[in-house]
Amino acid sequence: RKEVEQDPGPFNVPEGATVAFNCTYSNSASQSFFWYRQDCRKEPKLLMSVYSSGNEDGRFTAQLNRASQYISLLIRDSKLSDSATYLCVVNRGYNKLIFGAGTRLAVHP
Amino acid sequence: ETGVTQTPRHLVMGMTNKKSLKCEQHLGHNAMYWYKQSAKKPLELMFVYSLEERVENNSVPSRFSPECPNSSHLFLHLHTLQPEDSALYLCASSQGDRAFSTNEKLFFGSGTQLSVL
Repeated sequence: RKEVEQDPGPFNVPEGATVAFNCTYSNSASQSFFWYRQDCRKEPKLLMSVYSSGNEDGRFTAQLNRASQYISLLIRDSKLSDSATYLCVVNRGYNKLIFGAGTRLAVHP
Repeated sequence: ETGVTQTPRHLVMGMTNKKSLKCEQHLGHNAMYWYKQSAKKPLELMFVYSLEERVENNSVPSRFSPECPNSSHLFLHLHTLQPEDSALYLCASSQGDRAFSTNEKLFFGSGTQLSVL
């Protein structure tokens, strides 16, 4: 079983749609959580951290459920520029950041 | 620009060659990382250096040899690679310190696309 699991997608949505991605992790000792975004043939970039109380950054909302060991990302009012692969990342501690394989999002006009 | 520079951007090498990948960060960070990204697979953590000390070696074959001469530079020396080693090799840095903060945010370089023939 992979330590961090994501639905690979692709999620094909029209502009303006709301889309949600989930991620599960297996190591209950994991200490912090993030969403990164990776555009085609580019390096990953930090999108947002994920806090236990849930957090929002503009159109993006992240949630963490430690009991069920899953993380979610909600994107509202999707834009064409949101098309990318979204990577769920778990910090196991001691600088060990483990990446999921990513969920691909394609937003169409 | 993320402040992390990798060279070369592309590399083609034979299985008997020796080459090195270079990474430099201008962010004043203390931790540096090598990740491997193969097609349709998650990024795989290879090595972590914190304050120039290797703190993680994730069961990587000895044909990959990292070197961290100072907190701004990281190398990955390659020798006798196999075709299955063809991948995108990404360097990253983070604030990092001996306290091993759990809120480390990674800043990646653009990567070296490696092809082994």
